[in-house]
Amino acid sequence: AQSVTQLDSQVPVFEEAPVELRCNYSSSVSVYLFWYVQYPNQGLQLLLKYLSGSTLVESINGFEAEFNKSQTSFHLRKPSVHISDTAEYFCAVVDTGRRALTFGSGTRLQVQP
Amino acid sequence: GAGVSQSPRYKVTKRGQDVALRCDPISGHVSLYWYRQALGQGPEFLTYFNYEAQQDKSGLPNDRFSAERPEGSISTLTIQRTEQRDSAMYRCASSDDVERSYFFGQGTRLTVV
Repeated sequence: AQSVTQLDSQVPVFEEAPVELRCNYSSSVSVYLFWYVQYPNQGLQLLLKYLSGSTLVESINGFEAEFNKSQTSFHLRKPSVHISDTAEYFCAVVDTGRRALTFGSGTRLQVQP
Repeated sequence: GAGVSQSPRYKVTKRGQDVALRCDPISGHVSLYWYRQALGQGPEFLTYFNYEAQQDKSGLPNDRFSAERPEGSISTLTIQRTEQRDSAMYRCASSDDVERSYFFGQGTRLTVV
């Protein structure tokens, strides 16, 4: 069975500071990895995903995540956050032979001025 | 449609009543998923359809929960004899299995009083 751990339930950070949201997963097989973002009163939106190839994946709004197979991690980073990045972030995993995503419990990013 | 559409957005029901939640996936997406999200938690998998076939219902918590997708497009999640513990956000997603892009609807917030 697969599982996802997001150790930090809340991460407060000042605007323009760097941030890292941690995600670790457990699975006995190959996986695909995802980060979703949920803004207040909105649905889940795909931020970025790792399927294969380069282990570093980027989003259009400056976030990046690196797949580290040996450490079973897929941490999300941004070098300089904006107030508008305030949201809840969910890491998710799926075995390559399966379909349904397994989500972590989420990390609330609070960007302060 | 342009995105995954769920209705109603909000549903308040009395304990013991049956409720039906609707999901209209992105046109052409063969896979459809139902998730339940409790407050402060990540989405939990309920069930998954490939076209009209229910491929996995391992996440349905008990036999009061059922789902169907009779024509391989719109899906309905039905909860019979609702209980207060059923109160949650119910999310639907559809996916393009080639690109592994999972798109989520806005969700239906169910409150059982």
